[in-house]
Amino acid sequence: GAGVSQSPRYKVAKRGQDVALRCDPISGHVSLFWYQQALGQGPEFLTYFQNEAQLDKSGLPSDRFFAERPEGSVSTLKIQRTQQEDSAVYLCASSSYRFGTSGPGGLFFGEGSRLTVL
Amino acid sequence: SQQGEEDPQALSIQEGENATMNCSYKTSINNLQWYRQNSGRGLVHLILIRSNEREKHSGRLRVTLDTSKKSSSLLITASRAADTASYFCATSGSRLTFGEGTQLTVNP
Repeated sequence: GAGVSQSPRYKVAKRGQDVALRCDPISGHVSLFWYQQALGQGPEFLTYFQNEAQLDKSGLPSDRFFAERPEGSVSTLKIQRTQQEDSAVYLCASSSYRFGTSGPGGLFFGEGSRLTVL
Repeated sequence: SQQGEEDPQALSIQEGENATMNCSYKTSINNLQWYRQNSGRGLVHLILIRSNEREKHSGRLRVTLDTSKKSSSLLITASRAADTASYFCATSGSRLTFGEGTQLTVNP
């Protein structure tokens, strides 16, 4: 596709349910990021993939959060036993740039998946 | 936790005026980027300035970077109502870390 695609756009879950959020990055993009954005705040880093390798997962808030990118393209962010504090917009972004080097590059973001936990 | 802090948190101006937003950060960076986010949408990359650059222009945007003060500014000239959005700076080191953003409102 032409851009980063995320699904679902909106998800309502009852506390304790598991959810899975999908990200289709731009074809051929090496880097993929997940961010969490609370209302009125900036995006908070969750995790980073370079191809299929998860190089940085230090931003995942708890072991209930799990992300994968098994074939180096589509990624899934899974949240187990959702809590009310997990309510946020989850943003996926991709880039042709390998982070950690000094080369140029900006991120291409999807529209986000808005999760509401009741 | 956020690396960058934007100032002001909110800015309201009239169409045609210039808008200046500032960003301060704490650690050394490879580059600094500015993004725009319209309400309910994803972020859009605006401009990137490398750590060895001091100023960069793109259309109506002008970005400066002062690594000695660990600060950057984004100037939008001749603002339009369509520029109404939140603007975020993001610093690039081992990851891309965003600030809290400035909410810009341009009144027609």
